[in-house]
Amino acid sequence: DAMVIQNPRYQVTQFGKPVTLSCSQTLNHNVMYWYQQKSSQAPKLLFHYYDKDFNNEADTPDNFQSRRPNTSFCFLDIRSPGLGDAAMYLCATSRDRQPDGYTFGSGTRLTVV
Amino acid sequence: QKEVEQNSGPLSVPEGAIASLNCTYSDRGSQSFFWYRQYSGKSPELIMFIYSNGDKEDGRFTAQLNKASQYVSLLIRDSQPSDSATYLCAVIYSGAGSYQLTFGKGTKLSVIP
Repeated sequence: DAMVIQNPRYQVTQFGKPVTLSCSQTLNHNVMYWYQQKSSQAPKLLFHYYDKDFNNEADTPDNFQSRRPNTSFCFLDIRSPGLGDAAMYLCATSRDRQPDGYTFGSGTRLTVV
Repeated sequence: QKEVEQNSGPLSVPEGAIASLNCTYSDRGSQSFFWYRQYSGKSPELIMFIYSNGDKEDGRFTAQLNKASQYVSLLIRDSQPSDSATYLCAVIYSGAGSYQLTFGKGTKLSVIP
């Protein structure tokens, strides 16, 4: 089945140690999104790629970066994780900007120790 | 700032009853409205979307949209314990070529057997 896969499901990292989360998709969707969701809060958009064009949200901290080497893969890099970065990170895809086409991955739960 | 507001709950209903979930949004330019269900520790899954004023029914679910009042709701008929989850309202603001989903914090629903 076509899907969005996030690895790992659970990630534990040390305070200040760079960490990378990955997302892959077999849907051939050209838009990929990264959301951050903290406990009992709304998912918050960090950035998205429309094809190769990177779009950063104005309030996304500089500590967060992203790479999209090809259509299928997208990475979230956290350069120096702080305790406040512990959250669920959700990857989603859509075909063009069709509003009914968001498909979410299963998420990565990040713990910072 | 574009906002999506939901009562965080918890909303408790007996099995077989109708659960009514409500959402308001701040931007009159919003075009598309979504309801996602999120089980604890899992990623959001799409239940329904609605674009036009009025009601849209899908099985036990009915979405209602009133753009004049900037209000969208979700009714769940014959509620089942398996419906117990957090329900996220999401809105697409389509200004300046941007089509990202903005989520509310969600309403936690508990269906009591």
